[in-house]
Amino acid sequence: AQKITQTQPGMFVQEKEAVTLDCTYDTSDQSYGLFWYKQPSSGEMIFLIYQGSYDEQNATEGRYSLNFQKARKSANLVISASQLGDSAMYFCAMREAKFGNEKLTFGTGTRLTIIP
Amino acid sequence: GAGVSQTPSNKVTEKGKYVELRCDPISGHTALYWYRQSLGQGPEFLIYFQGTGAADDSGLPNDRFFAVRPEGSVSTLKIQRTERGDSAVYLCASSLLGLAGESSYNEQFFGPGTRLTVL
Repeated sequence: AQKITQTQPGMFVQEKEAVTLDCTYDTSDQSYGLFWYKQPSSGEMIFLIYQGSYDEQNATEGRYSLNFQKARKSANLVISASQLGDSAMYFCAMREAKFGNEKLTFGTGTRLTIIP
Repeated sequence: GAGVSQTPSNKVTEKGKYVELRCDPISGHTALYWYRQSLGQGPEFLIYFQGTGAADDSGLPNDRFFAVRPEGSVSTLKIQRTERGDSAVYLCASSLLGLAGESSYNEQFFGPGTRLTVL
């Protein structure tokens, strides 16, 4: 069964600094996808970035990048030049890529607070 | 175009009552998902529709929970004989195809959720 672990319940970061949010996962499958979502106080889950298990390069989307270390089963999110608007909950999620399995499994999240 | 919408945004009910939560997915999205997010937790999968049929309902906690999507668009999550433990935010998501299969990519677009409080 797939499992996601996020060990940082909360983080405080100074504005304009970079921040790394940790995510480790457990799966016996060879093919899977990793996702990061942002959840502001409004409650809506906003998709940030995706990494496939067979992707050789780390995914990047603007200020977001994913530090994917397959052997360690980690998929940490890096946010560069943090902004006040980055304050939110961040969730790591996984989908095992096989027919019949379309669900995402989420971690417990990290609450990021950006300090001006 | 409009995103996923959910109504009501908040629902307060008494223990033992019946509730319905509605989800209107992005137009053209064939797949629809329901998740439940308890306080301090990440979303947990409940059920997934491909078109009108429930393709995976393995996350429904018990037979008090039921969901329908009769015309392949709007979905309703129904909870009978509500219990205090049902209090949570119920999130709906949709995706374009929902048949990613052996491709791991399947971006799901989430709605704002319905906060259910059972007194």
